[in-house]
Amino acid sequence: GQNIDQPTEMTATEGAIVQINCTYQTSGFNGLFWYQQHAGEAPTFLSYNVLDGLEEKGRFSSFLSRSKGYSYLLLKELQMKDSASYLCAVQDSNYQLIWGAGTKLIIKP
Amino acid sequence: IAGITQAPTSQILAAGRRMTLRCTQDMRHNAMYWYRQDLGLGLRLIHYSNTAGTTGKGEVPDGYSVSRANTDDFPLTLASAVPSQTSVYFCASRTSPDTGELFFGEGSRLTVL
Repeated sequence: GQNIDQPTEMTATEGAIVQINCTYQTSGFNGLFWYQQHAGEAPTFLSYNVLDGLEEKGRFSSFLSRSKGYSYLLLKELQMKDSASYLCAVQDSNYQLIWGAGTKLIIKP
Repeated sequence: IAGITQAPTSQILAAGRRMTLRCTQDMRHNAMYWYRQDLGLGLRLIHYSNTAGTTGKGEVPDGYSVSRANTDDFPLTLASAVPSQTSVYFCASRTSPDTGELFFGEGSRLTVL
């Protein structure tokens, strides 16, 4: 079967760094997406990785290892507005997105 | 530019009633999707459309139907609502079925009593 695993909840301190992991087992792989979703709102796109390595975009970076079926989202200089759920999604062989349940990130002052 | 518009934002309806959730996008995207989001679960695909005139079944299609008469509109219909269809429904679109990120509507919160 297809499976995306990410931690249910994480807590971090304002100004710190946090890494949110995502492991996956899917039928085929055509890229991995990270989305941010604030409570009661729609998911918004953060990053897309299709090749191994690190993609940096401002305070956010995303890493992919296809051989390990593993990705992480790294958030630096955390701000209170980063409190949200972070969704990992893998695009399978049919180009459909398989979604993890999301990681709720709580930022404390 | 509005992006993707969903209606209604929220609805309570009695079991057995018919309900249509509307979704309209103005980005001329070919691919459109309907997901449901339930607590503790990832987004689950209900139905999708790769281009106007075509539709396909996702992971959880039972009890739902869709149509894609034109590029912009992709309504989702619950023929006879049941309590297990209580959920938040998101419509999404992207440029093509195999390219680019998904853009999401604001969601429709549906409660079936």
